[in-house]
Amino acid sequence: AQKVTQAQTEISVVEKEDVTLDCVYETRDTTYYLFWYKQPPSGELVFLIRRNSFDEQNEISGRYSWNFQKSTSSFNFTITASQVVDSAVYFCALIGGTGGFKTIFGAGTRLFVKA
Amino acid sequence: GAVVSQHPSWVICKSGTSVKIECRSLDFQATTMFWYRQFPKQSLMLMATSNEGSKATYEQGVEKDKFLINHASLTLSTLTVTSAHPEDSSFYICSARVPGQGNYGYTFGSGTRLTVV
Repeated sequence: AQKVTQAQTEISVVEKEDVTLDCVYETRDTTYYLFWYKQPPSGELVFLIRRNSFDEQNEISGRYSWNFQKSTSSFNFTITASQVVDSAVYFCALIGGTGGFKTIFGAGTRLFVKA
Repeated sequence: GAVVSQHPSWVICKSGTSVKIECRSLDFQATTMFWYRQFPKQSLMLMATSNEGSKATYEQGVEKDKFLINHASLTLSTLTVTSAHPEDSSFYICSARVPGQGNYGYTFGSGTRLTVV
């Protein structure tokens, strides 16, 4: 079975703090993709990153960085120097063949960044 | 590129009426579309997969007679909530598989917030 676990339901930080959102996944596929999406209060899903199972290189994009570790089945997301505009729900997701190539979402982590 | 336009963004309807939500792929042909439902403060749950020209495949527990999905063209899929009730109030969002990205490339509509009163 495929599963994505985001154990942190809500996180509250003060602006300029760094924050890491955890994501642990389960899959029997050798080929799979992992994603992070941001969902602001307006509701739309904003794509942040896609990473395939063969690429364990960490990635940095501005204040965002991702740490992919197959050994621990984790794909964690760090926001450096958080800003109020980062307040949103963040979803980690997985797509793999045994799941019929359907997007499996984690429960989401609600991030509050206070000024 | 690869934009899916979803309408309406929000809708309020009376209990017992039907509501249609549209998703259009603007710059590509979407042979496969997915419909998700999201209750407040919850994750997105897949309702059904629709392939152009064929019947939709519904996930377990989703009433296919209540949530009618039509994917009659390569650029349009619709979800009709029939005889809506307050418990159908939710956020509905569509997703389309993007050509050229295999089974791993998807783009999402902006969502529809349905409130049944």
